[in-house]
Amino acid sequence: QVQLQQWGAGLLKPSETLSLTCAVYGGSFSDYYWNWIRQPPGKGLEWVGEIDHNGRSNYNPSLKGRVTISADTSKSQFSLKVTSVTAADTAVYFCARDGRNGIEVWGRGTTVTVSS
Amino acid sequence: QSVLTQPPSVSGTPGQRVTISCSGGSSNIESNYVCWYQHLPGTAPKLLIYNNDQRPSGVPDRFSGSKSGTSASLAIGGLRSEDEADYYCAAWDDTLSGYVFGTGTKVTVL
Repeated sequence: QVQLQQWGAGLLKPSETLSLTCAVYGGSFSDYYWNWIRQPPGKGLEWVGEIDHNGRSNYNPSLKGRVTISADTSKSQFSLKVTSVTAADTAVYFCARDGRNGIEVWGRGTTVTVSS
Repeated sequence: QSVLTQPPSVSGTPGQRVTISCSGGSSNIESNYVCWYQHLPGTAPKLLIYNNDQRPSGVPDRFSGSKSGTSASLAIGGLRSEDEADYYCAAWDDTLSGYVFGTGTKVTVL
């Protein structure tokens, strides 16, 4: 059974860079799209972006070029970086797998707080 | 601001059938598959419906999805207390070249 384990810094100051990594256990890294999704406090789910095993990525336009998702296929890991964070980037961040039949596997979520 | 609009809340009594609507447009719902997710606070979201009306293994047949034009809906039949959660529709948007979630609907079992 596929499991996603995610980690990264949970407390950042404004203008710093958010960095999270997600490791894939028990399944193939190929043939899927690897996503980051976030939920700000009291708000709904927001798609951040995705990457496939060939390194092709798509991002939410609202994040205005601050987001980079990368993948290390040799380790079955993918990572998220968000630069110049503000309080608006405070959220629970989920990594997830999309097989193009829905996002069917999710990590547990990492709470990221941006505060001075 | 999401491009997929859902009612903020829906409620029903145990055993009742409730429906959640999801209104979008030609670049998302009309031209791509719709998914539905159930999200309980403090947990990871769960895929309930994919490809408009398909249920993943393990999802009870009380949950059903449909799509018509630029709108989609999720029906929950035989409402149970454990169905209290937030529900989100989602679809790929060709204009944004990205995945979009609906605004979310909180289901309350009275």
